[in-house]
Amino acid sequence: NAGVMQNPRHLVRRRGQEARLRCSPMKGHSHVYWYRQLPEEGLKFMVYLQKENIIDESGMPKERFSAEFPKEGPSILRIQQVVRGDSAAYFCASSPPGQRIANTEAFFGQGTRLTVV
Amino acid sequence: DQQVKQNSPSLSVQEGRISILNCDYTNSMFDYFLWYKKYPAEGPTFLISISSIKDKNEDGRFTVFLNKSAKHLSLHIVPSQPGDSAVYFCAAGGGAGSYQLTFGKGTKLSVIP
Repeated sequence: NAGVMQNPRHLVRRRGQEARLRCSPMKGHSHVYWYRQLPEEGLKFMVYLQKENIIDESGMPKERFSAEFPKEGPSILRIQQVVRGDSAAYFCASSPPGQRIANTEAFFGQGTRLTVV
Repeated sequence: DQQVKQNSPSLSVQEGRISILNCDYTNSMFDYFLWYKKYPAEGPTFLISISSIKDKNEDGRFTVFLNKSAKHLSLHIVPSQPGDSAVYFCAAGGGAGSYQLTFGKGTKLSVIP
């Protein structure tokens, strides 16, 4: 039973480049959540998506960040024109339809560690 | 404004003894609380949860206690084992945007053999 798969595990980008982070939810899960963990901090909610829909992006920075979860394929978190402050661990979680993440054992991926140099 | 607080960044406990990790919250709309365990370079792993209608939930060596009036919860691990050494995150959900989890900053537990 494959868990939540994130790739790449590590990503290095120069300032001004684009970063694309991918997340494949667990089989049967149609809800995806992205969280960011800055150094020495807890995880912070960024965005909640269902297939082809952004449900809540209240935690996303207004500029340069976008997310999608197409009908086919993984969810993508895209960061344009990266800056040093974007360096963090980005975690994806998934849950089945009909269940709030807070009521389930939300399954997290291993994360993508983004380093901006 | 930190809605979920873990005031102890670290905790050291002798193997075999009890580990007690604490968490405070401010948002009275939270109705579900979870503990996650995290190893370096790994994602958080769900450990145990508790609904606001309960005050205790037990799973093997792990017990979570919830004191709603004090807006406080704690995770007890007994007996502690070296493999329990990790960062423990308290998380809360419920209320507006109930699909979001709000995390504390974590407590690094070290179990000394």
